[in-house]
Amino acid sequence: DTGVSQDPRHKITKRGQNVTFRCDPISEHNRLYWYRQTLGQGPEFLTYFQNEAQLEKSRLLSDRFSAERPKGSFSTLEIQRTEQGDSAMYLCASSFGGMNTEAFFGQGTRLTVV
Amino acid sequence: DAKTTQPNSMESNEEEPVHLPCNHSTISGTDYIHWYRQLPSQGPEYVIHGLTSNVNNRMASLAIAEDRKSSTLILHRATLRDAAVYYCTRGGADGLTFGKGTHLIIQP
Repeated sequence: DTGVSQDPRHKITKRGQNVTFRCDPISEHNRLYWYRQTLGQGPEFLTYFQNEAQLEKSRLLSDRFSAERPKGSFSTLEIQRTEQGDSAMYLCASSFGGMNTEAFFGQGTRLTVV
Repeated sequence: DAKTTQPNSMESNEEEPVHLPCNHSTISGTDYIHWYRQLPSQGPEYVIHGLTSNVNNRMASLAIAEDRKSSTLILHRATLRDAAVYYCTRGGADGLTFGKGTHLIIQP
């Protein structure tokens, strides 16, 4: 296991299309987080899972965004009807336990909406 | 919202110590203080974290003020590979809350 894996690394889509990103966490990690990062800013929290349960969602996560983590393993983040403002780096992180442990980040999926 | 405040950028010379400050005056008593760093086009990389006591690991040291309103990340001997954006973050029940970070520049 080499760490958190995200796919694809880059995605260019037309406005109005749906996109789905995948995150494979480190295998024994029970927590999985999604963040969004725009240029020059720090990552912004979107949502997190403990095992398969989605426990927290940011108000940044509009109705067009949905995330799943079936069976508590990999996770998907879907954006419906993409807008230009959705262009960003989408980061996934995983940890074993809560915030008293370190989180491991993937390399991110860079989304460009044209 | 318990955000953290850091200088936008700092510059240091190679092989010298670097002290990166962070203010987190509204942090709650149960939130951890985490530091991550990020290179361009990479995800953040964990550096160190702590709650109340000072912490040391192979990468850095973390000095936490007694009132927990501020902390300092210490890189004991900076190298060119330490040039990155350093984020001081609050680690709470809902994950990490990042600010804009400090862009650390290392001069050879």
